[in-house]
Amino acid sequence: AQSVAQPEDQVNVAEGNPLTVKCTYSVSGNPYLFWYVQYPNRGLQFLLKYITGDNLVKGSYGFEAEFNKSQTSFHLKKPSALVSDSALYFCAVRDRDSNYQLIWGAGTKLIIKP
Amino acid sequence: NAGVTQTPKFRILKIGQSMTLQCAQDMNHNYMYWYRQDPGMGLKLIYYSVGAGITDKGEVPNGYNVSRSTTEDFPLRLELAAPSQTSVYFCASKGGSGNEQFFGPGTRLTVL
Repeated sequence: AQSVAQPEDQVNVAEGNPLTVKCTYSVSGNPYLFWYVQYPNRGLQFLLKYITGDNLVKGSYGFEAEFNKSQTSFHLKKPSALVSDSALYFCAVRDRDSNYQLIWGAGTKLIIKP
Repeated sequence: NAGVTQTPKFRILKIGQSMTLQCAQDMNHNYMYWYRQDPGMGLKLIYYSVGAGITDKGEVPNGYNVSRSTTEDFPLRLELAAPSQTSVYFCASKGGSGNEQFFGPGTRLTVL
């Protein structure tokens, strides 16, 4: 069965420290991978995506993600966290044979403490 | 561009009432989606459309209906509202098969 897992409900990081938000997936074929962020009472905003090519993808607000095919992971990273990065982060995977649908993770709440 | 717009922002319905959630996009996107987001959960796809006149069911379509008469508009109809439909509803659109989705601000619906 196709699925996306975000194993941590919440991640706490001190401001200035590096952050990682984890995502693993299980889909058939080569997936398209996405990260979105949701600030309180707002819609989701696109951060970055992996379609093909370089495994390290750079996105908005200084975020990057590394696609690891052997570990079926697409972890979101940032070298130095800001308090303003505090939000809900969603990983999503699109199977190229899934008839245009995205499979969404449950979300990880990121809290950056000053 | 306004992007994806949704109305209303908030609504309280009584059990058995009906309503339509409006969604419009001005990016000339072919693909449009309706999701619901329950507390502590990820998004669940209700319905989607790949172009005007074409709609299809997602993961949780029961109790909802959609239409896509134009490229711009994708309204979601709730018939006979039930407390289980209390949720935040997001509309999204995208331009191509590999592209990211753009989301509206959401509609917070409570059914009492």
